[in-house]
Amino acid sequence: GENVEQHPSTLSVQEGDSAVIKCTYSDSASNYFPWYKQELGKRPQLIIDIRSNVGEKKDQRIAVTLNKTAKHFSLHITETQPEDSAVYFCAASAGGTSYGKLTFGQGTILTVHP
Amino acid sequence: SQTIHQWPATLVQPVGSPLSLECTVEGTSNPNLYWYRQAAGRGLQLLFYSVGIGQISSEVPQNLSASRPQDRQFILSSKKLLLSDSGFYLCAWFGKGGGNTIYFGEGSWLTVV
Repeated sequence: GENVEQHPSTLSVQEGDSAVIKCTYSDSASNYFPWYKQELGKRPQLIIDIRSNVGEKKDQRIAVTLNKTAKHFSLHITETQPEDSAVYFCAASAGGTSYGKLTFGQGTILTVHP
Repeated sequence: SQTIHQWPATLVQPVGSPLSLECTVEGTSNPNLYWYRQAAGRGLQLLFYSVGIGQISSEVPQNLSASRPQDRQFILSSKKLLLSDSGFYLCAWFGKGGGNTIYFGEGSWLTVV
């Protein structure tokens, strides 16, 4: 089955800096890669996703890049703010009827210091 | 718009007691439904998924079971809880009306004591 590795496990940055979280996956059939933000005690919230027919997607301060050849994808947050502090999860699935069958990374605790 | 409801939000259950968590989706029909579990400080793990009424697939061997008695209702159950069943349980849905993505319910915190 699919295996998703996520790094780093913790990330500390100063407000205004950029943050990068990286994930690798093992199953070449995976073609859907969402990123979730989870605040303490709450459900994960989708922040951005990418499908394998594109290499990069951007939404304001958040961007995701995908390298299918190398089987890795990354989340980039620019101009970080204290409210970006949370746990971030990457995930992968094969899409189609398997869209919801996500394999998650172990998460990255992002702390943005004012 | 589509919404997903999950309850109860929190519960504390003794070892060996039964469990029932319920999830309902509104504003869509024939959704794919999922149960995930998140152990403390860890990522989410898919437990069950369902593509229709009465159709349940299990992803990992465990002490839990799932049922889908109605199109928009998904239930997670156990006859006898174990300590290792503690965690944060999340129902999720995927449907064409949801922009081809997956959304999670509010979650249920289960502590087995």
